[in-house]
Amino acid sequence: DGGITQSPKYLFRKEGQNVTLSCEQNLNHDAMYWYRQDPGQGLRLIYYSQIVNDFQKGDIAEGYSVSREKKESFPLTVTSAQKNPTAFYLCASSLSGRLSVYNEQFFGPGTRLTVL
Amino acid sequence: QKEVEQNSGPLSVPEGAIASLNCTYSDRGSQSFFWYRQYSGKSPELIMFIYSNGDKEDGRFTAQLNKASQYVSLLIRDSQPSDSATYLCAVKIDSWGKLQFGAGTQVVVTP
Repeated sequence: DGGITQSPKYLFRKEGQNVTLSCEQNLNHDAMYWYRQDPGQGLRLIYYSQIVNDFQKGDIAEGYSVSREKKESFPLTVTSAQKNPTAFYLCASSLSGRLSVYNEQFFGPGTRLTVL
Repeated sequence: QKEVEQNSGPLSVPEGAIASLNCTYSDRGSQSFFWYRQYSGKSPELIMFIYSNGDKEDGRFTAQLNKASQYVSLLIRDSQPSDSATYLCAVKIDSWGKLQFGAGTQVVVTP
């Protein structure tokens, strides 16, 4: 059963804590993405990775970090430097742009992070 | 900054009518365009993509693209209450597949 999984579904963070959100895909996609969505707003790109061991900052990378040690996995850490982390976090994957004209992105179910 | 603009709505549509959603984009070089549907509290789901000028139909959905006017639209025919959702327009902004999303249009189908 192919797809993208994210865990946990809900996450609560105390002030000053770092937390890590998991994203795993078994679609054999090269590219993976992290987005943040605030209520009533569209998706904003945090980080993206086109190949293993390489990633680039998106539009709102400050206060976040990522790693891409395996093709299937792209975890996101929300650090204490992120001042307003309460949001809905979405992971997506696609074929690499160099391999496909289409590049449709498919999304995982999301993680809802709340700061206490 | 490359921009994608959508009317936020809500767009109220009677059941059985046609819902018409619009999206404009600023980057004239954009080649690929996507429509996602997002139910409240859920993640976006891809419903249509289009690359060529003109219309593309898939079931009750029709995507329309006019690159000269930098305009892409989505028509939903025979609207059903299950079509009530937010529809996100996305534009591919580089050769690697990076997307720029609009803020979305909320559609409410009334029985």
